[in-house]
Amino acid sequence: DAGVTQSPTHLIKTRGQQVTLRCSPKSGHDTVSWYQQALGQGPQFIFQYYEEEERQRGNFPDRFSGHQFPNYSSELNVNALLLGDSALYLCASSLNQGADDEQFFGPGTRLTVL
Amino acid sequence: GEDVEQSLFLSVREGDSSVINCTYTDSSSTYLYWYKQEPGAGLQLLTYIFSNMDMKQDQRLTVLLNKKDKHLSLRIADTQTGDSAIYFCAEDGSSYKLIFGSGTRLLVRP
Repeated sequence: DAGVTQSPTHLIKTRGQQVTLRCSPKSGHDTVSWYQQALGQGPQFIFQYYEEEERQRGNFPDRFSGHQFPNYSSELNVNALLLGDSALYLCASSLNQGADDEQFFGPGTRLTVL
Repeated sequence: GEDVEQSLFLSVREGDSSVINCTYTDSSSTYLYWYKQEPGAGLQLLTYIFSNMDMKQDQRLTVLLNKKDKHLSLRIADTQTGDSAIYFCAEDGSSYKLIFGSGTRLLVRP
């Protein structure tokens, strides 16, 4: 079992550009959540996808959007990048059995915006 | 509101016990979690406790929960240098998301 995988590992972009990050959930999982972890901070919830729809969203602007595919993998898109978007982006997967499903985290994608 | 607070830093000597503390605000949380993050890595779930429990022990780890005071602690017995990392507590609140503290950096001195 490969666990949760994310790509790319690292990414450098410039302000105003757009970026797409990818996540493959742990085998058997159907729910994907995305978190942003700024340097020195704890992860902040961006949104969660289940059954190919955004089920819950955190306090992030519309520049942050996502998608879940029929195979449960997911993408996080960020438009009009700002310097403040530089962070580690973590994907977590779980099996939807209730609101307290255990979430397994991937290694993250480190995004640097110059 | 949603807020999870942790002390920033803890330094212990190898072989001693470490105690990392956390306070949370959402009394409707079902589970409370402890995650470990090593440099450059994602989050590893260490242990969790159901909100109607007071204590949970898992090998070297002991979690204590005081629901009245909304206080959670993680005790690591016989702390090793490999335990040096950042430790996050998290609550699941009343929603699907996890709410994390800012993390406690544990440094284990040889």
